[in-house]
Amino acid sequence: QSTLTQPRSVSGSPGQSVTISCIGTSSDIGTYNYVSWYQQYPGKAPQLLIYDVYQRPSGVPDRFSGSKSGNTASLTISGLQADDEADYYCCSYATRSFVFGTATKVTVL
Amino acid sequence: QVQLVESGGGVVQPGRSLRLSCAASGFTFSRYGMYWVRQAPGKGPECVAVISNDGGNQYYADSVEGRFTISRDNSKNTLFLQMISLRPDDTAMYYCSVEIHGGTFDYWGQGTLVTVSS
Repeated sequence: QSTLTQPRSVSGSPGQSVTISCIGTSSDIGTYNYVSWYQQYPGKAPQLLIYDVYQRPSGVPDRFSGSKSGNTASLTISGLQADDEADYYCCSYATRSFVFGTATKVTVL
Repeated sequence: QVQLVESGGGVVQPGRSLRLSCAASGFTFSRYGMYWVRQAPGKGPECVAVISNDGGNQYYADSVEGRFTISRDNSKNTLFLQMISLRPDDTAMYYCSVEIHGGTFDYWGQGTLVTVSS
């Protein structure tokens, strides 16, 4: 099973912005706009943050934003808060399958 | 509100079978595709099975093709995953998820843990 490539960790102080990259290929991110992002706290199920590259479900703060360029998607968290400390995963559709990223741990300093 | 409750996990020996269930509520179950997603300890999620809203189409990850079967009972708002010939690398938390937006895992259950060990 292939995976999307994410940085293992990113960190920032409260109020700052951090960006998580998600590198795929022309077979997934590069072709499809079914790119989504999930937040996961320890011992809990993942929760949807972003879908269709940049769309936010109701209830997700606009501090979370998504984008895509070529084979790379990005999640930006603005105005970092203590409860943003969690693992984050990207995901892309890839023709009759899905591929997830490796976890990025966000640490709030 | 959307609620997904998985059950049926446990400890099982290699080669044995297990059937997972997911009870859905808070949305019109028969309108949406459903997924089973697993997450091994310390690893990222892996979508292992997908089923269309009417049950007519199913897709499987290569890692479980031929061993796992996804099904649903729309009259009982319940999703199933029949797993046979289980292997130690099937050990994971298994989540069910609903596809409200195309190609998206919109809501997740709390998961049920499957441990394959002798």
